[in-house]
Amino acid sequence: EVQLEESGGGLVQPGGSLRISCAASGFTFSNFAMNWVRQAPGKGPQWVAIVSTTGDTTYYADSVKGRFTISRDNSKNTLALQMSSLRAEDTALYYCAKGVGASCGTDCDSRIMDVWGKGTTVTVSS
Amino acid sequence: EIVLAQSPGTLSLSPGERVTLSCRASQSVSSDFLAWYQQKRGQAPRLLIYGASSRATGIPDRFSGSGSGTDFVFTISRLEPEDFAVYYCQQYGSIPLTFGGGTKVEI
Repeated sequence: EVQLEESGGGLVQPGGSLRISCAASGFTFSNFAMNWVRQAPGKGPQWVAIVSTTGDTTYYADSVKGRFTISRDNSKNTLALQMSSLRAEDTALYYCAKGVGASCGTDCDSRIMDVWGKGTTVTVSS
Repeated sequence: EIVLAQSPGTLSLSPGERVTLSCRASQSVSSDFLAWYQQKRGQAPRLLIYGASSRATGIPDRFSGSGSGTDFVFTISRLEPEDFAVYYCQQYGSIPLTFGGGTKVEI
């Protein structure tokens, strides 16, 4: 069974840092792009970042660019999001989501998210 | 950034009825790279439609999508009790990827 399980969320003070992770199983992790998507309480999903299969290409939402870093370890089937300079508006449930494909070619299917984890909650508050 | 406006915000319907949801983009969505997701309370979003009109694996054929350019439509031909949820459109033709504000389909 294809599964994603996030971990590492918690309460952090404004300006602080946090690293969250996502453990993947049931599929060949290195063959698919991976995303982080967050959802603030009562709001719709907001895409955060995407990483290519090899980890050498990444894109970010403007709101997190320069503060967050997405990375992956294909040998351990894990995805990570390093978050720094955290703000109250970063408070959300953070999901990792698997891309349907490896890259944005003819179908751009790396950016379609077909498997999601249950999320990990990040709360930024003093 | 492409802004997606979904309408209506909420729909109150009964099982068996037909549902039509709208997603309008602030600029043309590249190659009609638009997806629809369903989200139930306390759950992660679930992919239903991609490429504006292709159903994802295992999605019943009562769900369909259409449209191109800036105007897209999502339809449920006959509402089942398990279809009451929030539906989001998402464009993936350009970075940043963006989601619409959602339409809640309620009883």
